[in-house]
Amino acid sequence: GAVVSQHPSWVICKSGTSVKIECRSLDFQATTMFWYRQFPKQSLMLMATSNEGSKATYEQGVEKDKFLINHASLTLSTLTVTSAHPEDSSFYICSARRSTGHYEQYFGPGTRLTVT
Amino acid sequence: QKEVEQDPGPLSVPEGAIVSLNCTYSNSAFQYFMWYRQYSRKGPELLMYTYSSGNKEDGRFTAQVDKSSKYISLFIRDSQPSDSATYLCATVKAAGNKLTFGGGTRVLVKP
Repeated sequence: GAVVSQHPSWVICKSGTSVKIECRSLDFQATTMFWYRQFPKQSLMLMATSNEGSKATYEQGVEKDKFLINHASLTLSTLTVTSAHPEDSSFYICSARRSTGHYEQYFGPGTRLTVT
Repeated sequence: QKEVEQDPGPLSVPEGAIVSLNCTYSNSAFQYFMWYRQYSRKGPELLMYTYSSGNKEDGRFTAQVDKSSKYISLFIRDSQPSDSATYLCATVKAAGNKLTFGGGTRVLVKP
């Protein structure tokens, strides 16, 4: 149990275009989902936290107009990177947390974004 | 000083040995503790989580938490080459959302 999927696993896009990444909790309802970014050999950096039906809370320094997060249901959150640039190339990972009272997060397999 | 400290390694052990990993934390507000395993270019996989001091065992894995010393450990018995990965400790404050990670320890299990 507690499986989180991400799609796509790898995407290449041209500079200036937008790309959407989906994160789904497959066998549980996730009241809270998180989006992280990870550069090679570095730790995970939290970008934003989203609760179903609410606006996402972004970490300091993360541009909310560039990284659009939608958490439309208890099993789906999406991250859209708008007007992508080569510096946005990174490994994006989502995670999901069960209902209130649970603190552990279950991570997806990650999405590798390359902007050319 | 980081809130959660973890030796980066690498920690190299022979196959079959016990892998011993640990983290220290500085903030007594941290109440819940997790261990994750991350393979290269993959998302972290939750191995163990515990909400209290003491030991918790699951298969080859044992997690220990000592809140009085602010010290958490993970032991992996009968290590396998497939256990070669980066291990991350993480903690959360009570009623909190965000995970605070240690920097990760790279483990190499040699056949």
